[in-house]
Amino acid sequence: SMLTQPHSVSESPGKTVTIPCTANSGSIDSNFVQWYQQRPGSAPRTVIFEDSRRPSGVPDRFFGSIDISSNSASLTISGLETEDEADYYCQTYDRNNVIFGGGTKLTVI
Amino acid sequence: QITLKESGPTLIKPTQTLTLTCTFSGFSLTTSGVGVNWIRQPPGKALEWLGFIFWDDDKRYSPSLRDRLTITKDTSKNQVVLTMTNVDPVDTGTYFCAHSDVRFGEMDNWGQGTLVTVSS
Repeated sequence: SMLTQPHSVSESPGKTVTIPCTANSGSIDSNFVQWYQQRPGSAPRTVIFEDSRRPSGVPDRFFGSIDISSNSASLTISGLETEDEADYYCQTYDRNNVIFGGGTKLTVI
Repeated sequence: QITLKESGPTLIKPTQTLTLTCTFSGFSLTTSGVGVNWIRQPPGKALEWLGFIFWDDDKRYSPSLRDRLTITKDTSKNQVVLTMTNVDPVDTGTYFCAHSDVRFGEMDNWGQGTLVTVSS
């Protein structure tokens, strides 16, 4: 099983962006999806876990959702700030194997 | 506060065996439900899960690397060790360890990572 993400997205400060993560097999709602933010030179950190839950300290501008019809998870970031510029990875598991998406580079310009 | 830190060689030759250590604090691998994952990231590329070990010595590995990986724990030292045999230049990358409370779930605290280069 694979998770497909767009290679890059860009949007202006203050706007809203959505990053999709599509499963190529199995049902996206079979197991929880996490989203990680990784800034250059840093380790990843969780921004969404269990599909839609936010860790403490992550602003409510970050929203996670699941769409069964498109077999996708999505990360939506509203009120974009320059500090949101980073790589974002979705993650789930299938058949005892943890899977990461290929990552999406978010540029805030 | 949970912290993790990876350590090991920065340069290793092809065909050799890589051994990395994750030293952690703020939790114990004798506590029910706790585990440590290993993840790697080639330069400029995506994250790749390698495997995990949990408190009950449950070990799982990436199917594509299972034959080359071993993960062990030393609870007295608060350490987890990753061993990878027969390394190749494609194994070059940053190796992270990360804490988890859920098998195959969220990795909620990560080490800073350690860059390993495989080259002759």
